[in-house]
Amino acid sequence: ILNVEQSPQSLHVQEGDSTNFTCSFPSSNFYALHWYRWETAKSPEALFVMTLNGDEKKKGRISATLNTKEGYSYLYIKGSQPEDSATYLCALNNDYKLSFGAGTTVTVRA
Amino acid sequence: NAGVTQTPKFQVLKTGQSMTLQCAQDMNHNSMYWYRQDPGMGLRLIYYSASEGTTDKGEVPNGYNVSRLNKREFSLRLESAAPSQTSVYFCANRLAGSIHEQFFGPGTRLTVL
Repeated sequence: ILNVEQSPQSLHVQEGDSTNFTCSFPSSNFYALHWYRWETAKSPEALFVMTLNGDEKKKGRISATLNTKEGYSYLYIKGSQPEDSATYLCALNNDYKLSFGAGTTVTVRA
Repeated sequence: NAGVTQTPKFQVLKTGQSMTLQCAQDMNHNSMYWYRQDPGMGLRLIYYSASEGTTDKGEVPNGYNVSRLNKREFSLRLESAAPSQTSVYFCANRLAGSIHEQFFGPGTRLTVL
């Protein structure tokens, strides 16, 4: 099981503001990094799967970057909306398994 | 297509009782997983099945057993439930390969009294 750390644990952001948060992992054990979005009372849903150092992925107002050499990934939310309120999970792929971080819970205030 | 289905959605057990959580998928994916989710701890892997006919322990396997009945179905059994097993359980599947995302079922909320 790989040690995946996410920070901060939670954050509040005003509607319209942008925000970002971090996923850190041991850089020597890297196959792929996954980001999932998890809304309350629902199941996690995949946002991005990233494999290459320098990878940047974007889906609407949400984007992510990956630095495998230093062992981190950032997730950005531009112009936050109430529907962005969710827990964002990062997971590191190791063979057949994913090791999940504890998540960053984002609350967007209207 | 239903994707990943789990039954039951909710269950209350008494300490010492046994039960099986069912998971089925219609996505024809090779790998299936069982996780538990507890507050502040994210998702922890209980058991997984990389392909039909194989099962392996994850991070927190104690107190659980699994059966990969066929490619579609992967069940999780609690032989003697304990209050520490109160949690939300998620089943997931994935096409084999690191670039592929996992797909999650709706979850089973289990309370052990």
